[in-house]
Amino acid sequence: AQKVTQAQTEISVVEKEDVTLDCVYETRDTTYYLFWYKQPPSGELVFLIRRNSFDEQNEISGRYSWNFQKSTSSFNFTITASQVVDSAVYFCALSEALMDSNYQLIWGAGTKLIIKP
Amino acid sequence: EPEVTQTPSHQVTQMGQEVILRCVPISNHLYFYWYRQILGQKVEFLVSFYNNEISEKSEIFDDQFSVERPDGSNFTLKIRSTKLEDSAMYFCASFGAEAFFGQGTRLTVV
Repeated sequence: AQKVTQAQTEISVVEKEDVTLDCVYETRDTTYYLFWYKQPPSGELVFLIRRNSFDEQNEISGRYSWNFQKSTSSFNFTITASQVVDSAVYFCALSEALMDSNYQLIWGAGTKLIIKP
Repeated sequence: EPEVTQTPSHQVTQMGQEVILRCVPISNHLYFYWYRQILGQKVEFLVSFYNNEISEKSEIFDDQFSVERPDGSNFTLKIRSTKLEDSAMYFCASFGAEAFFGQGTRLTVV
C-alpha cells in the first residue's frame, strides 16, 4: 500500500532561518511520482514540484530546494532564508504512474509552517 | 500560466439538497480529478476522469456523487443529497506535465 508521512505537524521559525520539511513515503512501485504543494491561508493548492522516481537529482528553484533520497524513501523540502509569505501548510504527495498524466495522489497530512517576523 | 477555474468559491446548502460544483480544467490536459479536504485534514482523492468517463474512484465516491463533462469544457461534480459530513473544500485538478489545482470550492452543509 502507498503511504506518505509528514511527521512534522507544525514548524515555527524566525524569518531568514532555513527550514526543512520532511516527507517519507512507502510504495512497492518502481515507477512513481512525488509532489509538493503549498496551501496558503487562502486555501488553494499551489503546485511546487513533481519528481519521478528515476530522477534522484536534487532540484533548486530560487529559495526552494528538494532532496530526493530513494535509499531512505524521502523527499525533503528546504526553504532557505524563509520569509513570512512562506507561511502555509505544505503537502507532500505520492502517485504511482498509472498512465501518462494520470496520477492518483496519495497525500501526507501536511506540515504547517509558521514564519515569524 | 494556465489555470484551473472553480465556481462557486463558497457554497452553503441545506442537508438533503443537491449541489453542483463546477470546474474549467486546462483545455489540452487529458485527466481531470476531484479531491476533497475536510477542514484541517489531509487532501483525499475522489475520482479521476478520462475520455469522458470515470477512470478511477475512491471509496468516498459513492452513489451520491457523479461527475460529467457535458460540453467538453466544464467538468462538474454533483452531490445528489448532501450530508453534514460532505462539508469540505473540494478541489478540481487538471494534470499534464504539471498538476494544477483550482482554487477550491468550500462547501458548507447546514
